[in-house]
Amino acid sequence: QKEVEQNSGPLSVPEGAIASLNCTYSDRGSQSFFWYRQYSGKSPELIMFIYSNGDKEDGRFTAQLNKASQYVSLLIRDSQPSDSATYLCAVSDTGGFKTIFGAGTRLFVKA
Amino acid sequence: DAGVTQSPTHLIKTRGQQVTLRCSPKSGHDTVSWYQQALGQGPQFIFQYYEEEERQRGNFPDRFSGHQFPNYSSELNVNALLLGDSALYLCASSFEPGLLYYEQYFGPGTRLTVT
Repeated sequence: QKEVEQNSGPLSVPEGAIASLNCTYSDRGSQSFFWYRQYSGKSPELIMFIYSNGDKEDGRFTAQLNKASQYVSLLIRDSQPSDSATYLCAVSDTGGFKTIFGAGTRLFVKA
Repeated sequence: DAGVTQSPTHLIKTRGQQVTLRCSPKSGHDTVSWYQQALGQGPQFIFQYYEEEERQRGNFPDRFSGHQFPNYSSELNVNALLLGDSALYLCASSFEPGLLYYEQYFGPGTRLTVT
């Protein structure tokens, strides 16, 4: 059973701090990695995707991928109360058509 | 540019009934995937449609079936509803350029309640 594991949290950080979210996956053949943000009662919103080892930055968000360790992370700099949500890590399987989601990490940013 | 749309927004059904959910993909997208999200869980892959055919399926029983139309819109059908089918059903669309990498964008979802 291919899996994506995330710490369920909640992760609580003060406003302005860096929030660090982590994810591990079991399928070594995975090629595509995604982070989605989901507010309560809403659908997931794609915020970052990464395909190559290393870092990818987009505004306050940085995704990090280490395929050898089967590890993906998301850093949120200058965290804002509006960043409070559940963050879902998602990984494509070896075939590339199926996306497997973790259960999500709840993030609370305290004002 | 219209995003992914789904209908209906909410639905209440009785055990044993059948339901049809609908999805229109984002403009320019030709691939539709369906997911089931139970409360407190991540989305679970049901199946994916491309070129009007089911390309891959997750661990869901045959009670779950789908269809994709020539305009790329899609339907999810669930027969013989069980209480455990109560969930948020999400449709996600993507563009399949023949390459391995693609991003999926989700619709607002349909909240199904089975009583």
